Amino acid sequence: GQSLEQPSEVTAVEGAIVQINCTYQTSGFYGLSWYQQHDGGAPTFLSYNALDGLEETGRFSSFLSRSDSYGYLLLQELQMKDSASYFCAVRDGNFNKFYFGSGTKLNVKP
Amino acid sequence: DGGITQSPKYLFRKEGQNVTLSCEQNLNHDAMYWYRQDPGQGLRLIYYSQIVNDFQKGDIAEGYSVSREKKESFPLTVTSAQKNPTAFYLCASFGDGVVDDTEAFFGQGTRLTVV
Repeated sequence: GQSLEQPSEVTAVEGAIVQINCTYQTSGFYGLSWYQQHDGGAPTFLSYNALDGLEETGRFSSFLSRSDSYGYLLLQELQMKDSASYFCAVRDGNFNKFYFGSGTKLNVKP
Repeated sequence: DGGITQSPKYLFRKEGQNVTLSCEQNLNHDAMYWYRQDPGQGLRLIYYSQIVNDFQKGDIAEGYSVSREKKESFPLTVTSAQKNPTAFYLCASFGDGVVDDTEAFFGQGTRLTVV
């Protein structure tokens, strides 16, 4: 089956750097995605990694190690508006299903 | 603007009643998905469809039904057989291209409450 594990909650202060880890188990792995969801809102796409390494998009970076079935989302120069839940997601290539982790709630404090 | 639209935003259901949640997209995407999200939880897959007139059960399909008669539309019916339907329901679509099929576009969700 498929499973994704990520920490349930992380707290950091404004201006700091935070890393949210995700370990996954799935068959026919295509890639790892990250989504942001503010309370009451819809998830929005942040990044996608298909190959090993680091992808950078502004203040956000995402990393993947396929051999370790592990990835992380790195948020730099934290701002109050970054307080949200962050989900990792994998596509099961064998079945064309997208699976989401249970989410990490990020609390950014002044 | 292209996007995915869910309606209604809030829905109240009486015990024993069937209700249908609407999901429409104008992104020309083949793949559409329904997820359920409970408070403080992740997204669980209810049903998905890769092409018109075809759909597959996800991990929690019991008590739900779907149809895919048009590419643009993927309605979800919450039947009376779903014993605990109160949740936030999210519809998503995925593109077909080399890049497009990695990013999910979500609707704004429907919050269903049993009264």
